[in-house]
Amino acid sequence: DVKVTQSSRYLVKRTGEKVFLECVQDMDHENMFWYRQDPGLGLRLIYFSYDVKMKEKGDIPEGYSVSREKKERFSLILESASTNQTSMYLCASTGTHPNQPQHFGDGTRLSIL
Amino acid sequence: GEDVEQSLFLSVREGDSSVINCTYTDSSSTYLYWYKQEPGAGLQLLTYIFSNMDMKQDQRLTVLLNKKDKHLSLRIADTQTGDSAIYFCAEKTAVAGGYNKLIFGAGTRLAVHP
Repeated sequence: DVKVTQSSRYLVKRTGEKVFLECVQDMDHENMFWYRQDPGLGLRLIYFSYDVKMKEKGDIPEGYSVSREKKERFSLILESASTNQTSMYLCASTGTHPNQPQHFGDGTRLSIL
Repeated sequence: GEDVEQSLFLSVREGDSSVINCTYTDSSSTYLYWYKQEPGAGLQLLTYIFSNMDMKQDQRLTVLLNKKDKHLSLRIADTQTGDSAIYFCAEKTAVAGGYNKLIFGAGTRLAVHP
């Protein structure tokens, strides 16, 4: 079974802090994704990566950056956290075959005070 | 741009069938997915359908795809309390550079009552 692990289930940070969310997958997947989930809005793509050291902006990249130094790990960085970044963050991964679905981690619920 | 729409709530009685509907806009979508999210958890893939299929059945789940109307539905037979969750419809769509991404609906909260 594919395992996508997010380092924290719950995180509380202060406005202005630099925040790191970590995601690790164990299936040697090339593609990894970061989403945020907000009530009534579904999932919105922040950034994705299709290879080590590669990244692409999603639909809402403002205020975020990412890092993919190793194939199995994809980090989401909030450079200077703000209260409107309080949300549930979900990481996903998938391989390159067209019919492969995305597999999700359990999510990190981030609160910015 | 691409958009996926689904109703936000559905309430059914235990033992009845549930039908969750979804509409999408990208006619070139190759795959369409249904994910389930239980409280406090991530998204679990339930099933998916390739765009050249009309129907897919998997135990209690039936997916119907109407490409002409860009309409996707998920039917859950004999709905149980354990089916209470949020159900997300998603379409796979191509982006610049030859990559694919998923566009998600807002999710339908299914409540199953005795």
